[in-house]
Amino acid sequence: QQQVKQSPQSLIVQKGGISIINCAYENTAFDYFPWYQQFPGKGPALLIAIRPDVSEKKEGRFTISFNKSAKQFSLHIMDSQPGDSATYFCAARETSGSRLTFGEGTQLTVNP
Amino acid sequence: GAGVSQSPRYKVAKRGQDVALRCDPISGHVSLFWYQQALGQGPEFLTYFQNEAQLDKSGLPSDRFFAERPEGSVSTLKIQRTQQEDSAVYLCASSFGGWEKLFFGSGTQLSVL
Repeated sequence: QQQVKQSPQSLIVQKGGISIINCAYENTAFDYFPWYQQFPGKGPALLIAIRPDVSEKKEGRFTISFNKSAKQFSLHIMDSQPGDSATYFCAARETSGSRLTFGEGTQLTVNP
Repeated sequence: GAGVSQSPRYKVAKRGQDVALRCDPISGHVSLFWYQQALGQGPEFLTYFQNEAQLDKSGLPSDRFFAERPEGSVSTLKIQRTQQEDSAVYLCASSFGGWEKLFFGSGTQLSVL
């Protein structure tokens, strides 16, 4: 049962472009939505996170947009750089739960 | 240390062997998590410790999987009678107080032949 569905599976963007990755969920008990970045051979690293009481959060070039009614959220990477090439995972956590449920990941390639 | 340390980095086991994977969390971090990441997939939750107490082990796939954190610091994930389907990267994560701002280690890549 895939509780968090992520798309696209892979994405190729030119340097300076905008990368957009989308996630959708069904479980209305989710109350925390982080995005993680993972480089080959490394563990995931927290990039940015949002709670459902806000519709957007921005940190530098990274923005999360959240649509509670549609149960969707997305990551926007502005001015994408080759160094952003990595796999990105969305995730969600249930209220009072301890686990994060991850999406299947998006492999981003930013061409120079 | 500066981050979460996991050892060994790679482990090759014959089917049926027992393996033990070690995690050294960031000093002072109360919470510790184990996740399993299959090739090309997102991490999947295995278990959660707060200090030495194992508060959630609902993600452990079978009774062949066992985790401990006896002194509330270092943790060991043990897999008995390994099977081919156990092949994955096992990730450990720690946090200061709870489930937000998890810091992941680089993982142990387990290959069962």
